[in-house]
Amino acid sequence: DTEVTQTPKHLVMGMTNKKSLKCEQHMGHRAMYWYKQKAKKPPELMFVYSYEKLSINESVPSRFSPECPNSSLLNLHLHALQPEDSALYLCASSQEPDRGPKLFFGSGTQLSVL
Amino acid sequence: DQQVKQNSPSLSVQEGRISILNCDYTNSMFDYFLWYKKYPAEGPTFLISISSIKDKNEDGRFTVFLNKSAKHLSLHIVPSQPGDSAVYFCAASEGNNDMRFGAGTRLTVKP
Repeated sequence: DTEVTQTPKHLVMGMTNKKSLKCEQHMGHRAMYWYKQKAKKPPELMFVYSYEKLSINESVPSRFSPECPNSSLLNLHLHALQPEDSALYLCASSQEPDRGPKLFFGSGTQLSVL
Repeated sequence: DQQVKQNSPSLSVQEGRISILNCDYTNSMFDYFLWYKKYPAEGPTFLISISSIKDKNEDGRFTVFLNKSAKHLSLHIVPSQPGDSAVYFCAASEGNNDMRFGAGTRLTVKP
């Protein structure tokens, strides 16, 4: 199994809603990531979990709350989002290689905030 | 501050010819460089990589060249095929966890 699975594929939510994005991998990877990508822009790193601990938080607003329940799962909890948060949210995973990361990406969740 | 730049948003090439995609970076601490390919409605998939101790890495039709003094890398695809049409992202990392992406170049290979 070389897949990173993200659910849901599409999500529409209001600014007062609470929702969660889910990500799962069974490759034994010990690093997992959330990226945000707006149209015609590069993916921007949001969070990195390494061995189930948050190792990087790129100054992301608190309305985004990551969670790593175990080494195979990564969640992103959303609350009180703004319309400008509408984007493609990509999950990725990687081994802890000796030399250089190689990310495996999911297909993403296309989020629209109304 | 965008540390990885792909200045050509699009490139169109005839089938069978060479495609050359370019990428520039500003952070001299980057030690690993990767190219990803993205089809619509899919996540990016890894294509090829190169570490900073090398200047060339080849994998089949794909070759990545690194010029550290110019802080420039390029991806050569030869011969180009229609199935290569996609968005190509250049990425660079410092260490294992901090990867930065360029904005992408949309490659169209015409039959």
